Amino acid sequence: SQTIHQWPATLVQPVGSPLSLECTVEGTSNPNLYWYRQAAGRGLQLLFYSVGIGQISSEVPQNLSASRPQDRQFILSSKKLLLSDSGFYLCAWALGTGSEKLFFGSGTQLSVL
Amino acid sequence: RKEVEQDPGPFNVPEGATVAFNCTYSNSASQSFFWYRQDCRKEPKLLMSVYSSGNEDGRFTAQLNRASQYISLLIRDSKLSDSATYLCVVNTPGGDSSYKLIFGSGTRLLVRP
Repeated sequence: SQTIHQWPATLVQPVGSPLSLECTVEGTSNPNLYWYRQAAGRGLQLLFYSVGIGQISSEVPQNLSASRPQDRQFILSSKKLLLSDSGFYLCAWALGTGSEKLFFGSGTQLSVL
Repeated sequence: RKEVEQDPGPFNVPEGATVAFNCTYSNSASQSFFWYRQDCRKEPKLLMSVYSSGNEDGRFTAQLNRASQYISLLIRDSKLSDSATYLCVVNTPGGDSSYKLIFGSGTRLLVRP
């Protein structure tokens, strides 16, 4: 069966520090991969999605970047964190396009202080 | 206009009540639709897909109206354990001929004893 791993579960970082969140999927090949962010009490905002290795689509201009160095690995990064980067970050995967269902990792609660 | 819109609630209902949530989407080319449930500080989990003919899963009924670009979720005989945020999700064309999953901001449900 397919599983998705996301780490760390919580992270506290100072303003201006770098960020690297990693997500890996097991049990499937060539998944679509997604990074979402959820601010406190708000909905999920799509940050990046990827339909293949090295293919990244960015949804909103921001202080973050994403990379997909391997088929089942998706990384969210920042060179210098801002206070506004705080939130609940969720990685997700889906098979193919069209009618796929989305499955989430357990999320990373990031606090930038 | 937001791509996916929901009433944020909260809907505060007694146990046993019937409650309905609505969702509208802006892109008529959207292909598939889902309802997700999210508990506080947890990742969203798929509740059910939404089909054009309407579909039912136990106490939950989902409806889709493509002409009005409208989706609904009906919960009958509410249980305390139904308390959560319900997220409407729409699979929408991306700019690179792929599809991306867009979440509404969610409707919060509180079921009281």
